[in-house]
Formats: sequence, structure tokens, C-alpha cells
Amino acid sequence: EADIYQTPRYLVIGTGKKITLECSQTMGHDKMYWYQQDPGMELHLIHYSYGVNSTEKGDLSSESTVSRIRTEHFPLTLESARPSHTSQYLCASRQTGTATSGTEAFFGQGTRLTVV
Amino acid sequence: AQSVTQLDSHVSVSEGTPVLLRCNYSSSYSPSLFWYVQHPNKGLQLLLKYTSAATLVKGINGFEAEFKKSETSFHLTKPSAHMSDAAEYFCVVSVGGGYNKLIFGAGTRLAVHP
Repeated sequence: EADIYQTPRYLVIGTGKKITLECSQTMGHDKMYWYQQDPGMELHLIHYSYGVNSTEKGDLSSESTVSRIRTEHFPLTLESARPSHTSQYLCASRQTGTATSGTEAFFGQGTRLTVV
Repeated sequence: AQSVTQLDSHVSVSEGTPVLLRCNYSSSYSPSLFWYVQHPNKGLQLLLKYTSAATLVKGINGFEAEFKKSETSFHLTKPSAHMSDAAEYFCVVSVGGGYNKLIFGAGTRLAVHP
């Protein structure tokens, strides 16, 4: 069983509110990722981190921000939520691979966000 | 450029019949390849992975996949489908320096009928 946790699992919030989605892992992985996924659709990378104090934007533009102050914690923040932010957000972590192979990612259960 | 193509967006099978989910990849490097399964309202669970060892990889729940470099394919198979196999399946390739980047396919939705 993977040790990566996301809270909350479900969140319904009004437009304009600030929200933070939490993601924590206890595996000591250096890499962490945030993906956005609409129902029945593919995953889109919105943020990633290769270690403490390292964050990068992903392939899909997002108005959210992230921070990585501790290895185990990678929260995602929306300063002002809008209905267009309604989606599922998945957090993942993995350890750096070797020179010849990559490692698998472990995923949290996801946060389903609805902005009304 | 690296990419992953899942050739079928939907696959429907009868319970007890074989399952084949197709995945082709494009990579300039020796890739690491993964299959993940996602049940409704759940996160992604690793089914199996290929990391340059044996080309035939066995995973959980009776699934297996074969890495074919000449065909740039990594198709997922199972001899006999079970109702609980109904889910979304994602093929993923890991590439780049340190294999940092994960590239996801668009997903294949597997339906299993009684």
C-alpha cells in the first residue's frame, strides 16, 4: 500500500475562495507531481518538484501555485477559486531512477474539487 | 519527442474472454514503461512495469505486458476478464535524464459484460 495521502477527498467551495489541497508522502521520495484530471479524461501535469525548494510548472497551464518546503509535503493552492477549476487533482511521488531505468510513481486517492 | 499512444479509447469484452489493451510509444532513449489502472473515484494503481529487464512483464491481478522494441509497443493482456477489471487503464513512459518525466497516454476504458 502506497503511503501518499491527499486531503480533502472532496471539496465544494464558492467562487473567489482561497483553497489549499494537501499532499503528503512518507516514503522519502524526492520527486512529487500534481496532475489535473477531468472525469473520464487523461491526466495533465500542472506542477512538479524534484526536491525541496524546487518547483516547476507542468505541461498544462494552471492558475494554482505549489510549494515544497519539506520533502514529504507538496501543497497546491488556488488563491481565488473559479468554476473552471472544477476537476479532480491527483498528487504523485516517486524516487529518482538509475541511469538506465525509471521508477514507478505512487498516487494519492485524489481530491475532487467543485467550485460553485 | 517522446509520446504514448493508446490505440483504443474504449474496449468492451465479455467476462471470461481475453483482454488486449494496446499501447505504442515513441522515445529517443531506452524507456521505462508502466501500466496503471484507475477505478472510479480512485487514484491510480500500478499494474506492472518494464525497466529494461525481462521483456515479458507480469503484474497484479493476472495482467501481463510484453515490451517489443521493434514494434515500439507495450500491450497489456489478460487471459480471462473479470467484472472487477472494468476501469480506466493508462500506459505511461518514463524518459529523459534521470527518467524524470512521466508521459501518460490518453487512457483506455475497459468495460466487462456478464
